[in-house]
Amino acid sequence: GAVVSQHPSRVICKSGTSVKIECRSLDFQATTMFWYRQFPKQSLMLMATSNEGSKATYEQGVEKDKFLINHASLTLSTLTVTSAHPEDSSFYICSARTFNQPQHFGDGTRLSIL
Amino acid sequence: DAKTTQPPSMDCAEGRAANLPCNHSTISGNEYVYWYRQIHSQGPQYIIHGLKNNETNEMASLIITEDRKSSTLILPHATLRDTAVYYCIVRVGAGNNNDMRFGAGTRLTVKP
Repeated sequence: GAVVSQHPSRVICKSGTSVKIECRSLDFQATTMFWYRQFPKQSLMLMATSNEGSKATYEQGVEKDKFLINHASLTLSTLTVTSAHPEDSSFYICSARTFNQPQHFGDGTRLSIL
Repeated sequence: DAKTTQPPSMDCAEGRAANLPCNHSTISGNEYVYWYRQIHSQGPQYIIHGLKNNETNEMASLIITEDRKSSTLILPHATLRDTAVYYCIVRVGAGNNNDMRFGAGTRLTVKP
C-alpha cells in the first residue's frame, strides 16, 4: 500500500529554535499534502493544505509565518515551526494523496519545546 | 461537509466481530464515507471507503444503508492489535484538495 514517511519521529529542543519536519511519499507522487496537529487526548486538526509548486492554504487560526510549508516536489513537503515555544509542543502529522485516491498518513512527529 | 456521529467508545472480545456504527444523515450524493483508525502515538491508517455499495477489503467490510444516512465498519475477527480510535469521515471523493476532517471517533478496546 501507499507509504508516507515522516522525519524525525521525535524532536526535543529549546524555546526559540526553528524545527523542520519532512514528509515524503515513498511510492507515489503526491499532488497534495496536508499537515495536521494533534494535542493530547484530542483529535487531529488540519493546519494547512499544499499542492506541489504552489503556496499552502492555511486553516483559520494557523499562522502562516509561524508554520512555514514548502512543497517543492511531488514527493516531499516540509513544515518548519519557526521560533518554537512550549505551546507549540504537539504531535504533527502529515498526509499525502494523489488525485482521486485516499489520503495516507505518516507516523507523526512528536515535538517537545522546553 | 456532512457531519458524522459515532459512539465515543466500544468494547469487543478478541476473536469476535467488531461492528462500529456511524451516522451521517446529512450526507450528499457525491460524498464518500471513509474510515481511518489511529493506534496510540501513530498516524491514522486508511481502512476502507465507499460511496453507496458495500465494500470489503483485507482489513474490513463497510456496510452502507440504502438511504446512505448511516454505515457500519465491520472488523470480522478482532484482535488485540485492533485496539485504536476509529474515525468515520464523510468527504467528497474527487478533487485534489479533499482533506480529511477528523471528529472525536470511537475508541475501540479489544479485550482478551
